[in-house]
Amino acid sequence: GIQVEQSPPDLILQEGANSTLRCNFSDSVNNLQWFHQNPWGQLINLFYIPSGTKQNGRLSATTVATERYSLLYISSSQTTDSGVYFCALGYAGNNRKLIWGLGTSLAVNP
Amino acid sequence: EPEVTQTPSHQVTQMGQEVILRCVPISNHLYFYWYRQILGQKVEFLVSFYNNEISEKSEIFDDQFSVERPDGSNFTLKIRSTKLEDSAMYFCASRTRERPPTEAFFGQGTRLTVV
Repeated sequence: GIQVEQSPPDLILQEGANSTLRCNFSDSVNNLQWFHQNPWGQLINLFYIPSGTKQNGRLSATTVATERYSLLYISSSQTTDSGVYFCALGYAGNNRKLIWGLGTSLAVNP
Repeated sequence: EPEVTQTPSHQVTQMGQEVILRCVPISNHLYFYWYRQILGQKVEFLVSFYNNEISEKSEIFDDQFSVERPDGSNFTLKIRSTKLEDSAMYFCASRTRERPPTEAFFGQGTRLTVV
């Protein structure tokens, strides 16, 4: 099956700093999503981005499907950005379910 | 903005008891899913449901688990006889289409604690 690797596994930032989170995958994808899991465990949809670039406020994401990676950019980080960021993807072999990475755990300090 | 809602947000149950986790998917969505996340681990697929039947299930989804869409709005996950290792966050998701795939929307989760 498809492999999903996220890096870095852990990240500590000072408030106001920028960061880039990476998601590498081992096969062609037709569905890729980024999620934020807050400290209470709730999942928040960030981006649906099987290809191309999207922006939403301080967050943006880029997927280069041909090179099998996606990036999530967080600018001017805030303490409320803390939590775990997951990428999850679907591929042509199985559109039905999302395969999840292990996540990047982000802590933003004031 | 439409959203997937899950109830309860937290449930504590005795080992061996039955639990039902409830979800209300987005109203025009046709495909429904349950995922689970054991504390500190990755999110794992449990089951997908379309047209009133299971379309795929993982090896985790054994005979203790069942899903149902009892009416036009609710989608439930039942665990017949809970075990300690069923303690996890359970997430419901829904989407409009699988081929080609559209965005899957997730609920806020139910934290199940089996004691």
